[in-house]
Amino acid sequence: QKEVEQNSGPLSVPEGAIASLNCTYSDRGSQSFFWYRQYSGKSPELIMFIYSNGDKEDGRFTAQLNKASQYVSLLIRDSQPSDSATYLCVGPPGAGGTSYGKLTFGQGTILTVHP
Amino acid sequence: NAGVMQNPRHLVRRRGQEARLRCSPMKGHSHVYWYRQLPEEGLKFMVYLQKENIIDESGMPKERFSAEFPKEGPSILRIQQVVRGDSAAYFCASSPQSGEQYFGPGTRLTVT
Repeated sequence: QKEVEQNSGPLSVPEGAIASLNCTYSDRGSQSFFWYRQYSGKSPELIMFIYSNGDKEDGRFTAQLNKASQYVSLLIRDSQPSDSATYLCVGPPGAGGTSYGKLTFGQGTILTVHP
Repeated sequence: NAGVMQNPRHLVRRRGQEARLRCSPMKGHSHVYWYRQLPEEGLKFMVYLQKENIIDESGMPKERFSAEFPKEGPSILRIQQVVRGDSAAYFCASSPQSGEQYFGPGTRLTVT
């Protein structure tokens, strides 16, 4: 079983809508999660990280961590075409007994915001 | 505050040659990580280094690949006797401690 799984397939939303991206995780002891955005042909960009239960807001982005239900989500309000990218939910370094420096990336969720 | 720097951005090598990829971490960061991304695939961890130490190299191929992070200067990922399957984007990331990692722009390696 993967430590962190992104549940949604490709997501398409109209401009101005809220995009909701979700992940579930298996290790109840996980304390931190990261959201990266990767445009095609570019490097991953850290857009949010969350270390505690609840919500964390930064501009149009809100990261949510629900430890009781073991899910992490990223909400993008007022979605813009420039938000179209692959979004990667990454669990804490050291997940699954790996070294504390290793991040494990999945395939991510492709978000398309259409005008 | 300069971000993570990588050079070269593009590198073309013929089969059998050596490739050297360089990474300078963000100022104040002492942890460096290398990841590889094959076309149409996700990022795969290769190696985690601190100054003069390899902490985790569990993702490094057993042969031809090596990495170092000397006391002075950038981190180097070295690939000897490159093959076409080594063609990929190689990303370096850095962190101040073992926390959030910030990525450089990557080096696109093409083996002809």
